[in-house]
Amino acid sequence: KAGVTQTPRYLIKTRGQQVTLSCSPISGHRSVSWYQQTPGQGLQFLFEYFSETQRNKGNFPGRFSGRQFSNSRSEMNVSTLELGDSALYLCASSGGQGPGANVLTFGAGSRLTVL
Amino acid sequence: AQKVTQAQTEISVVEKEDVTLDCVYETRDTTYYLFWYKQPPSGELVFLIRRNSFDEQNEISGRYSWNFQKSTSSFNFTITASQVVDSAVYFCALSEAQGDDMRFGAGTRLTVKP
Repeated sequence: KAGVTQTPRYLIKTRGQQVTLSCSPISGHRSVSWYQQTPGQGLQFLFEYFSETQRNKGNFPGRFSGRQFSNSRSEMNVSTLELGDSALYLCASSGGQGPGANVLTFGAGSRLTVL
Repeated sequence: AQKVTQAQTEISVVEKEDVTLDCVYETRDTTYYLFWYKQPPSGELVFLIRRNSFDEQNEISGRYSWNFQKSTSSFNFTITASQVVDSAVYFCALSEAQGDDMRFGAGTRLTVKP
């Protein structure tokens, strides 16, 4: 079956702009989590959505937001971009409300560069 | 709060050598889950193994083996007879049964030279 699909794979923005990233989970998976990966901070949890509801949120400013649609597809948005937002944004899906014992299946990520 | 430490930032070995990647974790929960993921240059994290806190049995899968020791809060990963294709960043991760997120270690970059 198809894996987790993230679009776009690469994008370049300038400071102050906003960006929307998309994630299509594995068919049947209802949980979608987002992570930010940077060389300095490593993998940091952004938020998790389950059945269209945000279940958990990491320690990120309000400029980072997300949503999940009825088909479990998810989007995350970053407004007023800063240089420090340059990162690989990874989306992961799982079959159950997570994380707990649930294995996360990751997409290839969206690499955002902010100039 | 949960925490995962991978003290080895980078390891370089020659093909066919055995290599062990260390992982130490902290948690107050009695029920928790440990994971190892591999991140090749393509960027996608690939799941390798999951262990729950009640199962300390070591596991072997081909050239991969895992040693889980609750007494030392460690979950180490050994690759036997390493190959160039094993070159990647390896992450250890922890999630608590009622936790909010999966917490990752900083990762260990393994380079296997021919």
